[in-house]
Amino acid sequence: GQNIDQPTEMTATEGAIVQINCTYQTSGFNGLFWYQQHAGEAPTFLSYNVLDGLEEKGRFSSFLSRSKGYSYLLLKELQMKDSASYLCAVRDSGGYQKVTFGIGTKLQVIP
Amino acid sequence: SQTIHQWPATLVQPVGSPLSLECTVEGTSNPNLYWYRQAAGRGLQLLFYSVGIGQISSEVPQNLSASRPQDRQFILSSKKLLLSDSGFYLCAWRSPGLTYEQYFGPGTRLTVT
Repeated sequence: GQNIDQPTEMTATEGAIVQINCTYQTSGFNGLFWYQQHAGEAPTFLSYNVLDGLEEKGRFSSFLSRSKGYSYLLLKELQMKDSASYLCAVRDSGGYQKVTFGIGTKLQVIP
Repeated sequence: SQTIHQWPATLVQPVGSPLSLECTVEGTSNPNLYWYRQAAGRGLQLLFYSVGIGQISSEVPQNLSASRPQDRQFILSSKKLLLSDSGFYLCAWRSPGLTYEQYFGPGTRLTVT
């Protein structure tokens, strides 16, 4: 099975940088996703890491260390619209490749 | 481009009543389909997944069932709802090719009273 840990809530200031951490313990690992979910809406895909290192996509970057069971999502130049929950999810290595989601980190961006 | 639809958007049902939620996907063939539930303060819980017509796998024993009568149609049902069935129900699809991310529909918010 999978166990995923993320901070429950974070607060950051508009224009700043924030790092949201995710640690996981898995019986199998085949990649890690980050999703953004605004309140009352469906999650939207942000990033997918399968190899160690940093993947940059505009203001958002995602990092993975498989040996440490650790990932982070880095948000730069924060905007008010970035206030949302950020879900870390791990893809299994089994034949079906099930994805297990963490509970999410609720980020509040303040002026 | 691909689009995923879910309906209804919101639903209020009494305990013991039946349930039928529908999900359809456009613009892709033979997608993998998923039903998730997100209860208040909890993460996304995978309920069912399907890799093809008539092929359903259940992740969590419960009073819910799923069916896939057509390639791009996925239905979540219950004969008798429980209070604990309240939550945000999300359908998702994934291309069975080399991409692994799932794309979610707009969701159905179910309140069982």
